[in-house]
Amino acid sequence: AQKVTQAQTEISVVEKEDVTLDCVYETRDTTYYLFWYKQPPSGELVFLIRRNSFDEQNEISGRYSWNFQKSTSSFNFTITASQVVDSAVYFCALSALLPNDYKLSFGAGTTVTVRA
Amino acid sequence: DAGVIQSPRHEVTEMGQEVTLRCKPISGHNSLFWYRQTMMRGLELLIYFNNNVPIDDSGMPEDRFSAKMPNASFSTLKIQPSEPRDSAVYFCASSLNGISYEQYFGPGTRLTVT
Repeated sequence: AQKVTQAQTEISVVEKEDVTLDCVYETRDTTYYLFWYKQPPSGELVFLIRRNSFDEQNEISGRYSWNFQKSTSSFNFTITASQVVDSAVYFCALSALLPNDYKLSFGAGTTVTVRA
Repeated sequence: DAGVIQSPRHEVTEMGQEVTLRCKPISGHNSLFWYRQTMMRGLELLIYFNNNVPIDDSGMPEDRFSAKMPNASFSTLKIQPSEPRDSAVYFCASSLNGISYEQYFGPGTRLTVT
């Protein structure tokens, strides 16, 4: 079975605090891709990052960083020195290509509220 | 470059009416996805096309829903007849080639069925 779990429903922080969003996935495939998307209050989902299962290097993009650990099936996302503009719903997603099949799963999302 | 274009942005209709949502994917993208988002059910994948061919429509709620992709630059999602429980935001997204690539989402269509 394929599944993405974002256990944190809501996180509230004060500006400049760091916030880490957890994403735990399940898949029986050895080749898969992980994604993070952001949905700000305006409503449109925005792609943030894509990572394949063979690349466990962590990535940093400005204040955003991602920690991919296959050993724990996790792909966590950290916002450093959060800002009010980071307030959004963040989705983790997984795609896996099985023989003669495919699976695409989104987590339920984590709502991040950054207070000034 | 233009992103994914959806129309209309808002639609209010009465129960029983036919509703047609439209989507123009990013030029050069081979895959197109339709999603529905509600507070109760979150983000649901309805159907996925690759090279204009429906690959998986297992997420389509019922026979009242149908989707077509007559060419690489246009897709429709039709609900006939519409019901109040169909009220949701419907997103269209496209990717370069399949689910292994990141998706670019349109602004969504907010549908209200009264």
